[in-house]
Amino acid sequence: DTAVSQTPKYLVTQMGNDKSIKCEQNLGHDTMYWYKQDSKKFLKIMFSYNNKELIINETVPNRFSPKSPDKAHLNLHINSLELGDSAVYFCASSAWGGAADTQYFGPGTRLTVL
Amino acid sequence: AQSVTQLDSHVSVSEGTPVLLRCNYSSSYSPSLFWYVQHPNKGLQLLLKYTSAATLVKGINGFEAEFKKSETSFHLTKPSAHMSDAAEYFCVVRGGYSGGGADGLTFGKGTHLIIQP
Repeated sequence: DTAVSQTPKYLVTQMGNDKSIKCEQNLGHDTMYWYKQDSKKFLKIMFSYNNKELIINETVPNRFSPKSPDKAHLNLHINSLELGDSAVYFCASSAWGGAADTQYFGPGTRLTVL
Repeated sequence: AQSVTQLDSHVSVSEGTPVLLRCNYSSSYSPSLFWYVQHPNKGLQLLLKYTSAATLVKGINGFEAEFKKSETSFHLTKPSAHMSDAAEYFCVVRGGYSGGGADGLTFGKGTHLIIQP
């Protein structure tokens, strides 16, 4: 059983296009996240949502818009894609509780903008 | 603000020898610390976490880490390396953004572990 799943796994697109990445978790968690991993493998938080409410928006361009239709889903829509958006995007989820709650990561979506 | 510094970008060891991956953290309050591993073209898997209980934390696959407050360190060790340990390792501290359960993780820059046969 996949705990945190993302689709698609690979996404190749042209500059200027709009694309979406979907994330679903079946762990019953209240909180979901999006992270970006750049070409040097550095990972940085983009957004977190708790129970469909935005908690963290970490200075991400407003071309990126997360959408949480329900607690189990957090999708990432990106408008007007730029070359610098090429990266691996990871979705994660955790329970809403203490600071030691484990975040469980999806397999990642490798986005390539040409 | 919280941060972590992984002191080595690459570590190379021979199979069967000990592994040491070094991490120092900076935190304005008692931190939650984690080690995650990423195998090539894979997602992130939790190895272990420190939650202010025992300072020596045991994780999966024979890894362990010791929290040393006086040294602000959380180094990852394994007594005997296996070829399957070759991967990228990330030391992570809880972000402290909201003070609650939706805090993002702050990642170190990663240490690439190479296992020589």
